Amino acid sequence: GENVEQHPSTLSVQEGDSAVIKCTYSDSASNYFPWYKQELGKRPQLIIDIRSNVGEKKDQRIAVTLNKTAKHFSLHITETQPEDSAVYFCAATTTDSWGKLQFGAGTQVVVTP
Amino acid sequence: DTGVSQNPRHKITKRGQNVTFRCDPISEHNRLYWYRQTLGQGPEFLTYFQNEAQLEKSRLLSDRFSAERPKGSFSTLEIQRTEQGDSAMYLCASSLPRGQGTYEQYFGPGTRLTVT
Repeated sequence: GENVEQHPSTLSVQEGDSAVIKCTYSDSASNYFPWYKQELGKRPQLIIDIRSNVGEKKDQRIAVTLNKTAKHFSLHITETQPEDSAVYFCAATTTDSWGKLQFGAGTQVVVTP
Repeated sequence: DTGVSQNPRHKITKRGQNVTFRCDPISEHNRLYWYRQTLGQGPEFLTYFQNEAQLEKSRLLSDRFSAERPKGSFSTLEIQRTEQGDSAMYLCASSLPRGQGTYEQYFGPGTRLTVT
């Protein structure tokens, strides 16, 4: 089955700097890669996703890149703000299957003013 | 609130007792997923429904766990003879039917189970 590894486990950045989180996956059939943000005590919230037919997707200050050959994808947050502090999870699945998500272990991002 | 809802939000039970959780998905979503999340980890897939049919169960779902979605709307997850290792956040997610061009799963707030 699919295995997703996520690095780093914690990330501290100064407000205004960029943050990058990287994930690798094992199943070459995976073709949908969402990212979730989870604040303490809250539900995971989908913040951006990418399908395997594109290499990059942007939404304001966040972007995701995908390298299918190397089987890794990354989340980029620019101009970080204190409200970006949360745990971020990457996930992978195949849309041809039932779509169950295989999650990474998460990255705790702390943005200090 | 038109999002995914879950009840109860918190449940404390003694070892050996049975518990049942409920999930109400977004109304037009026919796919429903249950995940379990322990502290410091990502959610782990438990089971999946398409309409009322349970189509996949994880190896994590022992015989003590059962899930239903009787009319293809809300779903229940029951744990019998709870063990301390069952303590976790149980998350429900739903998504639109396959083929509608979107694959996003939207999560509920979860039910936090504590087994004492």
